[in-house]
Formats: sequence, structure tokens, C-alpha cells
Amino acid sequence: DAGVIQSPRHEVTEMGQEVTLRCKPISGHNSLFWYRQTMMRGLELLIYFNNNVPIDDSGMPEDRFSAKMPNASFSTLKIQPSEPRDSAVYFCASRQFEKLFFGSGTQLSVL
Amino acid sequence: LAKTTQPISMDSYEGQEVNITCSHNNIATNDYITWYQQFPSQGPRFIIQGYKTKVTNEVASLFIPADRKSSTLSLPRVSLSDTAVYYCLVGDRGNAGNMLTFGGGTRLMVKP
Repeated sequence: DAGVIQSPRHEVTEMGQEVTLRCKPISGHNSLFWYRQTMMRGLELLIYFNNNVPIDDSGMPEDRFSAKMPNASFSTLKIQPSEPRDSAVYFCASRQFEKLFFGSGTQLSVL
Repeated sequence: LAKTTQPISMDSYEGQEVNITCSHNNIATNDYITWYQQFPSQGPRFIIQGYKTKVTNEVASLFIPADRKSSTLSLPRVSLSDTAVYYCLVGDRGNAGNMLTFGGGTRLMVKP
């Protein structure tokens, strides 16, 4: 298996623009998670899905952030409008039993 | 959720055994202890999980005392490539949302 696949690997955008991050979980994994990592705040759980249904989005910082999982093999995290403080590495992970499997992350820079 | 406390950083030398301790004083009966490893520019990677006593795999050992209020990740004979951040997580693995909170982790630096 190719593992969790995230795209793009790097994203540079200007403040106010819409940003869409993509994730393909490992086939057969029923849960998907979005994390954000910064030096100041570490790894923060933003939202997670179980069987494509959002279970807990309490970590989503504000209404500018939204996430969808239209099917078992694809999820998006959208930021609209983006702000410089959104600059971070965004990780997607899928889960099987007790283990989380992370993608390589998207490095987002909002100028 | 049980809160975890780990040292912020540790230094070691190649070939030494490294022990990283995590405190989780309010661990619940159904909680498991899980450790992840994160290299720069990568996502965290599962290392080991345990409930009590000792667990060993090809990468590490996990020691959990009888009161389960702490745990120790043991890395035998570390190499430079073991330089990474190590995270301890505690939660009920039967609850999908319960084992997902990462603390600050321990930054291990292995020197030649």
C-alpha cells in the first residue's frame, strides 16, 4: 500500500485566497483525521471522520476552516479566506485498530 | 483524557540505550499507552503500544509499572537515525476519538 497520500506537498498563497488540501487514506481504514502542526502549538487535532461522517470538529479553529469526506478514499480540508496565522504543516492520518498512519503533510505558507 | 508529561528533550550517544519516561497520573482503567516517533518533515509513526507490564517489538520496549501512572519507552543501542521527537499518548483505544491528543513530545538528539 502507498500509505496516506496528501497533496500538495507545499502550498504558498496570499492572504485572502482559498486553500484546499487533499488526502487519500489507506484503503480499508475507516477513520480519517486532520492535524495541524506548528512550533508554538505542536500537533493539534482539527477534525476526524468515522465511516466518512464527521465525528468531532471541535478542533477546527474557526468558520474559515471546513472539511469534507465525500467517500472512503478522499477528504479535503479547505481554508477560506486564508490568513498568515494559518501557516503550518497540515497532516492527514487514517487509522486501523489502534494505530494512526500519517501522510507526509502539506506545508502551507500564507503570505 | 489522561494528561501526559514528558521531558522536553534528551541527549544521547550512538550505541547507548535510551529510556524516555512519560507520566500519566490520572490514567483510566480502559486506557492504553501508545508511543509515536516523528522525524523532521514527516508525520508521526507508530512505535509501540501497551496496557501493563512489558511489551517488546523489533523497534523498542515499553515498560509499564503496576500502578500504570507512568511508562518508559526504551530504545536499545540508538543510532544517529533515532534522532526524532517521541510522543506518548494515553487513551481508550475502543473510543476512536480518545487516543488522538499529542502532547509536546520529547526531542531526542543522538550524537556520534
